[in-house]
Amino acid sequence: GEDVEQSLFLSVREGDSSVINCTYTDSSSTYLYWYKQEPGAGLQLLTYIFSNMDMKQDQRLTVLLNKKDKHLSLRIADTQTGDSAIYFCAEAPGDDKIIFGKGTRLHILP
Amino acid sequence: DAGITQSPRHKVTETGTPVTLRCHQTENHRYMYWYRQDPGHGLRLIHYSYGVKDTDKGEVSDGYSVSRSKTEDFLLTLESATSSQTSVYFCAISELAPPDTQYFGPGTRLTVL
Repeated sequence: GEDVEQSLFLSVREGDSSVINCTYTDSSSTYLYWYKQEPGAGLQLLTYIFSNMDMKQDQRLTVLLNKKDKHLSLRIADTQTGDSAIYFCAEAPGDDKIIFGKGTRLHILP
Repeated sequence: DAGITQSPRHKVTETGTPVTLRCHQTENHRYMYWYRQDPGHGLRLIHYSYGVKDTDKGEVSDGYSVSRSKTEDFLLTLESATSSQTSVYFCAISELAPPDTQYFGPGTRLTVL
């Protein structure tokens, strides 16, 4: 069935790069997304990538897509304390739904 | 930010009582969704709507019903709340069907004692 897997926790030192990984199951997914959830708030779309792309860069964010391995990653360069949040990977398998992973909690070390 | 509000933002209720959560949007988007967020489960879809009076079930719809009589409002009802329905509930909207981007409301924290 449809499933999105990601690790639950990641700790990164301030100023380093953060890399959050995700695997998905549906090879027909046309879009893959990264959402950010700050404490006490709803999810906010960070970025997305279309399935015919390998990479997308947006300021400090870089998304890499490996369709063969069904692997998606989000790299945050120069991680700041404001990046502390839960990051959700999601896929759109084409049946009027978006499937979300369980989220990766990013913790920033001073 | 997309104009999405949820009410109430917090609610404590007792097992067996009915509860209705409201989602209101000012974006005139066609699609609206209700999710619940629980530790270890992430975000799970309860019900969604693809137009006024048009709704469908998600993966965890048992114990929940929805109604959409106007474009701007999507109501989630727990007919007889149970402790397993203690959760944070999020409403989301999108202009078009997935894969169109979904925009989320601030959430409602529901506690069922």
